[in-house]
Amino acid sequence: AQKITQTQPGMFVQEKEAVTLDCTYDTSDPSYGLFWYKQPSSGEMIFLIYQGSYDQQNATEGRYSLNFQKARKSANLVISASQLGDSAMYFCAMREGSGGSNYKLTFGKGTLLTVNP
Amino acid sequence: NAGVTQTPKFQVLKTGQSMTLQCAQDMNHEYMSWYRQDPGMGLRLIHYSVGAGITDQGEVPNGYNVSRSTTEDFPLRLLSAAPSQTSVYFCASSYSYSNGYTFGSGTRLTVV
Repeated sequence: AQKITQTQPGMFVQEKEAVTLDCTYDTSDPSYGLFWYKQPSSGEMIFLIYQGSYDQQNATEGRYSLNFQKARKSANLVISASQLGDSAMYFCAMREGSGGSNYKLTFGKGTLLTVNP
Repeated sequence: NAGVTQTPKFQVLKTGQSMTLQCAQDMNHEYMSWYRQDPGMGLRLIHYSVGAGITDQGEVPNGYNVSRSTTEDFPLRLLSAAPSQTSVYFCASSYSYSNGYTFGSGTRLTVV
């Protein structure tokens, strides 16, 4: 079974609107972390936001927020007030467990977001 | 700070050739890793290291070797290149569990 599932291969949004990118995860470990990365067409990987499994509040970073629903094992990324520069591939990723191996990241297959003017 | 530096940015190899992808970071991060990115597959972990002298295999280690003699450097060696190793390779480093990884700019490798 996939550990990270991103069910939306592509998404379109109008400039200035909000958009939600879906991510579900699968783990039996009570300690884990969830990440979102942005990859623009230039290819670099840009860290956006992090949510720990024990964090009580949803993470926010500027226009990015993470809608963390632990019981449903979902960690959706919400981008508010979309900008043309938000057009990119977005990856959800997870770390799980403790010890040295907990630094391993498992990535989803990504969602390609296109922001229309 | 330069962050994570990968060289080369582009490389074309012939089947059977060997080469080393270089990765260096100047942030004193203990954890470093190598990923490959293929279309529609996301990023998959090849090898990782939790400190100098310590390495371990990831999800897709076959055909690759690594070593970690210093905190700064984590080279990835392709022993005998195959067309299936055509991919974009990313090196990443991190210093804490909750900290976002810092990625290098990637190496686009083509094996013909």
